[in-house]
Parts: sequence; C-alpha cells; structure tokens
Amino acid sequence: AQSVTQPDIHITVSEGASLELRCNYSYGATPYLFWYVQSPGQGLQLLLKYFSGDTLVQGIKGFEAEFKRSQSSFNLRKPSVHWSDAAEYFCAVGAGGSYIPTFGRGTSLIVHP
Amino acid sequence: EAGVAQSPRYKIIEKRQSVAFWCNPISGHATLYWYQQILGQGPKLLIQFQNNGVVDDSQLPKDRFSAERLKGVDSTLKIQPAKLEDSAVYLCASSLGTVATNEKLFFGSGTQLSVL
Repeated sequence: AQSVTQPDIHITVSEGASLELRCNYSYGATPYLFWYVQSPGQGLQLLLKYFSGDTLVQGIKGFEAEFKRSQSSFNLRKPSVHWSDAAEYFCAVGAGGSYIPTFGRGTSLIVHP
Repeated sequence: EAGVAQSPRYKIIEKRQSVAFWCNPISGHATLYWYQQILGQGPKLLIQFQNNGVVDDSQLPKDRFSAERLKGVDSTLKIQPAKLEDSAVYLCASSLGTVATNEKLFFGSGTQLSVL
C-alpha cells in the first residue's frame, strides 16, 4: 500500500524567507502526488498536483513542487513566505485504481514577522 | 460557486451516544468522500460514493459507523455508539468525476466531534 512521510512536524521561518517542506512517498509505480493546505477552521485546499509530465509543478499562491523519482520525494517550495502562509500543509499520494489521496500527517508552518 | 457544506460545525457528545453529520456537496459533483482527521494526523478516507453507490468503504468501522447518500446528492455519516477514539474532525469532500480522471477534490470545513 502507498504511504507518505512528512518528517517535519513544525517548520518556523521568517517572513520573506524561502521555504521547503519535505515529503517522501512509498509506492511501487509512478504515483499521483498532491500538496494541500489547511488554514484554521478551513477545509483542505489543493495547492498543486503531479500526475505525469514535467517534474516541476507550479501551483497556486506562488508554490511549486518537484517530483524526484530517484529520491521518492515531492518537496514543496516557495521563494518568499508571507505571514498568510502560516497553516498546516499536507502531502498526499494517490495510487491504485481510484487514485484517492492518502495523506501524510502534515507539517505546521509558523511564520515569524 | 457554493462550496461543500457540512453541519454541524461542532458536536460534543458522551461516549456510547449516537451522532450524525451531514454533507451537501457541490452541485453536480458525482463523487463524495468522507474523511476522518484525528488531531495530529492527516485525513484518513472512510468511504467514497459514486452517485449513490459505495465505491470504497474498506476503512469504515462498520460495527459503529454507517453512511448513506440518498438520491446521489446529500450524505450523512453516523456513529453509533461513539467511542472516545472517535474524537476527530470529519471532513466531507466532493469531485465532479474521480481522481483517476484528474478531477480535483473540494473539501468542506468539517465537523469537529468531541466524545467525552
């Protein structure tokens, strides 16, 4: 079965600094990969997804992620973080016939002014 | 466009009581999902409906959880009887088609359940 590991429970960055959130997946074939963001009291919102093609994926709110098959990774990046980016970020992998996302435990992003 | 609506927003019950959650997906969305999100964990899929049929309920604890999607639109998720470990946020999501057809999932804000 597929699984996702997000090794960092919390990440703290200063506003304006760059950001990288780590995600490693486990799946035998090429998976579908997702990053979602969850702000307090809000539902999960899709930031970006990788299904095939270009391994560098652009998403909303200035985020991007790169699929690296050799490392089984799909790290999320942003060049300059804004205070409004403070939220919980979930990496997810889809596999199998229905490609339903299986979520990691999440990384909480804290942004210092 | 209106999003996925869920109610109630919060629910507090005692163990062994029953509880029900309601979800109204985005109009026209054929697929509906219920996820359970325990504090400190990622969401876990409980059940997936395609129209009014169940596609996957392999992770639904069927001895106490039940779900239905009448007429292929609204859905209710019920827990009877509730246990302490059922304390979680219950998220509903919907999609126009399926993820396999590159369809995006839209999530509701969830129902936060506390079992005392």
